[in-house]
Amino acid sequence: EAQVTQNPRYLITVTGKKLTVTCSQNMNHEYMSWYRQDPGLGLRQIYYSMNVEVTDKGDVPEGYKVSRKEKRNFPLILESPSPNQTSLYFCASSRTSGRSPYEQYFGPGTRLTVT
Amino acid sequence: EDQVTQSPEALRLQEGESSSLNCSYTVSGLRGLFWYRQDPGKGPEFLFTLYSAGEEKEKERLKATLTKKESFLHITAPKPEDSATYLCAVQAAGGYQKVTFGIGTKLQVIP
Repeated sequence: EAQVTQNPRYLITVTGKKLTVTCSQNMNHEYMSWYRQDPGLGLRQIYYSMNVEVTDKGDVPEGYKVSRKEKRNFPLILESPSPNQTSLYFCASSRTSGRSPYEQYFGPGTRLTVT
Repeated sequence: EDQVTQSPEALRLQEGESSSLNCSYTVSGLRGLFWYRQDPGKGPEFLFTLYSAGEEKEKERLKATLTKKESFLHITAPKPEDSATYLCAVQAAGGYQKVTFGIGTKLQVIP
């Protein structure tokens, strides 16, 4: 089954404790992306990647890091989480045409709470 | 900066009562406009992509249309299972990979 998986699905942590949210896709997609979703603000893009070792900032990259060492995986790293990073996070992937993505397939989401 | 504005924020319909959702956008050259459906606690699910003004796409009770400044998602004779949040997103042309989403319209269809 074609899918995007994220782990963990739920996470409660404390300020400053480094964490990683994993994302994996089995569709051989070149494009992968991370979003956060907050009430009243909608989905906002954090980082995206067009291929292995190619990443770029979205609209809200501050406080986040990503890496793309393998095509199927795109982990999101919070090196020193703060309460304002409490949010619902989605990973997505897409095939591409030239340098542009098509429609995106989303994972089930990771609900992160930072206390 | 790309912008997407969706209206209304929330819409309550009786089963069978047709209506339209609006997505207004500002982008420096549109490569594609996307519609997604999101159920509570789940990731968005792709519905349509529109590429040029005048284009229309249909799927069951949903029909998406596109002009140079906005897109509409028409819902004909909705059923309770159509209740969800509908998201609009745009991607600019020119090999630009960033995608900008609107806040969404929360649709509730009452039996």
